[in-house]
Amino acid sequence: DVKVTQSSRYLVKRTGEKVFLECVQDMDHENMFWYRQDPGLGLRLIYFSYDVKMKEKGDIPEGYSVSREKKERFSLILESASTNQTSMYLCATRLAGTDTQYFGPGTRLTVL
Amino acid sequence: AQRVTQPEKLLSVFKGAPVELKCNYSYSGSPELFWYVQYSRQRLQLLLRHISRESIKGFTADLNKGETSFHLKKPFAQEEDSAMYYCALSRPGGSEKLVFGKGTKLTVNP
Repeated sequence: DVKVTQSSRYLVKRTGEKVFLECVQDMDHENMFWYRQDPGLGLRLIYFSYDVKMKEKGDIPEGYSVSREKKERFSLILESASTNQTSMYLCATRLAGTDTQYFGPGTRLTVL
Repeated sequence: AQRVTQPEKLLSVFKGAPVELKCNYSYSGSPELFWYVQYSRQRLQLLLRHISRESIKGFTADLNKGETSFHLKKPFAQEEDSAMYYCALSRPGGSEKLVFGKGTKLTVNP
């Protein structure tokens, strides 16, 4: 059973703060993804990583960066949080060569 | 460009009625298509994929290349089907990123 965990369920930060969202998986999946989920906009891909130390921009990377130093951990970084980054953030993983993504429970981030 | 359109933000039906959630896509080739579902307070999960032509929880979806559609259907809706449904597309190959539609919130009334 794939287990994908995210460091916080709810997070409240102030404008300008540096924010770290962590995602950890225990199934040795090569691929990891960060999405944001907004009502009426669906899921939008921020960044993804095919393997350790590899990263690629998704559709909305502006204002975000990522880090993948270990296979099991994929971090999303908001360098200077802004109110328009208030959202639900979802992490997902996938075994390379397969088509199913497994999602974490999400982190609801509020930037005041 | 790859694009997925779910024309209905909200869909409400009564228990026992048929339900169809619409999905249209834009892609110049043969995409792989999926339906993901998110029940209340649960994580997003795969419901079904077109390539396996399976029925999951009574739901089926047929890829219509002529109409570029992948509508999700169930003949008799149940209250536990109430959820957020997302249609998604990827290029074939198994290692491509997914493009999601904006989602349809289905409510099945008693």
